[in-house]
Amino acid sequence: DAMVIQNPRYQVTQFGKPVTLSCSQTLNHNVMYWYQQKSSQAPKLLFHYYDKDFNNEADTPDNFQSRRPNTSFCFLDIRSPGLGDAAMYLCATSEEGPGKNIQYFGAGTRLSVL
Amino acid sequence: AQTVTQSQPEMSVQEAETVTLSCTYDTSESNYYLFWYKQPPSRQMILVIRQEAYKQQNATENRFSVNFQKAAKSFSLKISDSQLGDTAMYFCAASRYNAGNMLTFGGGTRLMVKP
Repeated sequence: DAMVIQNPRYQVTQFGKPVTLSCSQTLNHNVMYWYQQKSSQAPKLLFHYYDKDFNNEADTPDNFQSRRPNTSFCFLDIRSPGLGDAAMYLCATSEEGPGKNIQYFGAGTRLSVL
Repeated sequence: AQTVTQSQPEMSVQEAETVTLSCTYDTSESNYYLFWYKQPPSRQMILVIRQEAYKQQNATENRFSVNFQKAAKSFSLKISDSQLGDTAMYFCAASRYNAGNMLTFGGGTRLMVKP
């Protein structure tokens, strides 16, 4: 019954080696979000999509990119991972509108950088 | 801009007892939403409860209820009859009413329910 699915759950990459994390949803929500969450901290929004309209947070490093080829899928690309990028990455979805602002989260991908 | 503060990094409670998690916020908006999200260990974050600021009645979901004090900008979560499955990180969050669904999170409170 998983509605927001993130793959893989655990990802190990090498310093500087590009990595892609994926997220899919069965809710047909038009808004999708990517967050970075470091240990025992609150999630930090990296970017979000309203449909295909991409919105980058001002302090998201250029090293992080995203693609949303269709409503169901969204990808997070880290072009040259550094040690500081080791974290949990959360994908979330929501509908759009004042009464529809509940975000539904995936279980996350834990990224390790060696 | 909105800010959300959770002053209790960690709390513990005995099973079956009641615990209250604190949250304060600051906003210049006249209308907004407040949320409590739960993140169990190694599991996905889920919504516990949502409060619309223009509604004076405190939201309730089964064992979970809030004490919303709009003038004081306080939004605490009360968990009654605590269960082992309530062990989790709890995040308080705020969202503006008509400016998209972006969440501003507090720093979180780690709750441990002890048998």
